[in-house]
This record gives sequence, structure tokens and C-alpha cells, in this order.
Amino acid sequence: DVKVTQSSRYLVKRTGEKVFLECVQDMDHENMFWYRQDPGLGLRLIYFSYDVKMKEKGDIPEGYSVSREKKERFSLILESASTNQTSMYLCASENQPGTASYEQYFGPGTRLTVT
Amino acid sequence: RKEVEQDPGPFNVPEGATVAFNCTYSNSASQSFFWYRQDCRKEPKLLMSVYSSGNEDGRFTAQLNRASQYISLLIRDSKLSDSATYLCVVNVGTSYGKLTFGQGTILTVHP
Repeated sequence: DVKVTQSSRYLVKRTGEKVFLECVQDMDHENMFWYRQDPGLGLRLIYFSYDVKMKEKGDIPEGYSVSREKKERFSLILESASTNQTSMYLCASENQPGTASYEQYFGPGTRLTVT
Repeated sequence: RKEVEQDPGPFNVPEGATVAFNCTYSNSASQSFFWYRQDCRKEPKLLMSVYSSGNEDGRFTAQLNRASQYISLLIRDSKLSDSATYLCVVNVGTSYGKLTFGQGTILTVHP
């Protein structure tokens, strides 16, 4: 059974703080993703990674960076948190696209509040 | 125009009802299509993939119309446990999944 875990379920940070959100998957997946989910906007892709040390910007990368030093771990970094980054953050990993069993598996999410 | 648009809902239906959700997508290069389900305060989980020929999984039927860029999900004999948000998802990528999510449609099934 695929498992994607995230370091925190709830996090409260102050404006200007550096924030690290960690994600770990146990299925040896190549590709990993970070999304944020906001009411009325749905899930939006922030960054993704298709290999160790490789990263690609998603649709809303501004204010974020990522790190992938090991295959199983993908970190999202908010260099200087702002109130508009208050959101639910979801990490995902995926098996091979284009196959009949293709699926993205999501972690439980981190609800981040920036005050 | 949003890349993936869904019925806004919410849908409130009695147990046993049949309910249908619709979704349109704007990118004609889209490769694959899915419905995900998200329970309250939980992560999204794959409900079913959507194939050109249409596909069925128990009480759930998904249809795809590439010409009209339209996807649907039909739920028959609704159960209380079907209450959730249903996300229409489209994949443009091939080597990795660049998924685009609709806003979601909230379904509440009541006794």
C-alpha cells in the first residue's frame, strides 16, 4: 500500500519566517509534487520533481522553493512566509504515467496558517 | 476560462438517487482523465480513470467525449458514504503527470 506522509498536519507560523514542509513516500516513485488547495480555487501545482535534484516550476511557484536530495523525500520551502500563503498544502507522488494503473497518491496535507 | 470547469454544486440528494456530474476541459492536447474523490478534511484519492469508450465500476459510470471536451460521472443508487467532493482531473503530460484539477463538486447524500 502506497504511503505518502507529511511532517505536520497543522502549522502556525509568523510572517517572515522560513517554513519547511516535508514529504516522504515509500514506493520508490520517481515523480513528486507539491500543491496548495484553497476554497474556490481547487488544487494548484506549485512545484514538481521527476528525479533527485531535479525540479520544475508548476503554475504558482512564486514565493516557494523545493529540495529533493533523496528520491523518497521532497521538501517545500517558504523562504519568507506571508499571510497569502495560508493554505492547505498537499504532497503527492505518482507511479508511471501512461499506464493503466496510473495514479497520483496524496499525503494527508499540512494546514499552514501564517499570522 | 478555467482549464477544467465543473458543475458548482452543491448537490443534495436522497439515498438511492442517481446523480450526474459534468466537467469540461479547455486543452485539446489533454491525454488522460480522472475522477478523484476527497472526503472532508482528507486527501484526494483516485475514484476512477475515464476512458474514451466509457467505463463502469459498480455504481459509478464515467464517460468521455473528446470532441466536446467533456467528462461526466454518474452515480447510481447513492449511499450516505458517497457524500464527498468529486474532483475532475485532466492530465496534459505524458512522461509525468501534470494534472489540472477542477474546483470540485460537493455531494451530500441524506437519509
